[in-house]
Amino acid sequence: QITLKESGPTLVKPTQTLTLTCTFSGFSLSIPGDVVGWIRQPPGQALEWLAVIYWHDDKRYNPSLNNRLTITKDSSKGQVVLTMTNMDPVDTATYFCAHMTWGYSGYDRYWYFDVWGRGTLVTVSS
Amino acid sequence: QSVLTQAPSASGTPGQRVTISCSGSSSNIGSNVINWYQRLPGAAPKLLIYGNDQRPSGVPDRLSGSKSGTSASLAISGLQSEDEAEYFCATWDDSLNAWVFGGGTKLTVL
Repeated sequence: QITLKESGPTLVKPTQTLTLTCTFSGFSLSIPGDVVGWIRQPPGQALEWLAVIYWHDDKRYNPSLNNRLTITKDSSKGQVVLTMTNMDPVDTATYFCAHMTWGYSGYDRYWYFDVWGRGTLVTVSS
Repeated sequence: QSVLTQAPSASGTPGQRVTISCSGSSSNIGSNVINWYQRLPGAAPKLLIYGNDQRPSGVPDRLSGSKSGTSASLAISGLQSEDEAEYFCATWDDSLNAWVFGGGTKLTVL
């Protein structure tokens, strides 16, 4: 059974760097096919994808936030870490991590988030 | 403003069939599969439909998904009180090079 849990500070000040940890179990993130991503949801707004990291350490970032994000993994610890620099009050949101897997539509492979954590609320305020 | 458009609310009575829609464009729904999630307050989002119309194990067959052109739908038949939740759609956008989500539809069972 795959589980994920987010952890990190609940309050950060503007301009600070946010560091969030996703602790997972039920998969290793070192076996082909495992991927973990981060998604956030500001209060009253839609979800926004942030980043994903693949089993072979390839990384993809949302272009709108690319220069602020870094995603890393420690498969031996069962953790994925996301850092976001220069935090602003508009970054106040619930941050989720999620496992990603793949399926086939005809001959085309596609990816989708299948199991999510419950999320952690991060407030940016001085 | 969301890249994928959903009505903010929907409602139905027990036993009724309701449909929740998700509208996009040629760069997202029009060229990629759609996935649907349910979110209860304080809980982790739950995958309901992947690959347009595939149900994960454990999801009842009274839930179904479909896609046509740049729009997709989630249908819930035999509505139950436990279906009262928020539902959102998700897919990849080839132009934005990003996963995109709908704003969510809050379903109320009257």
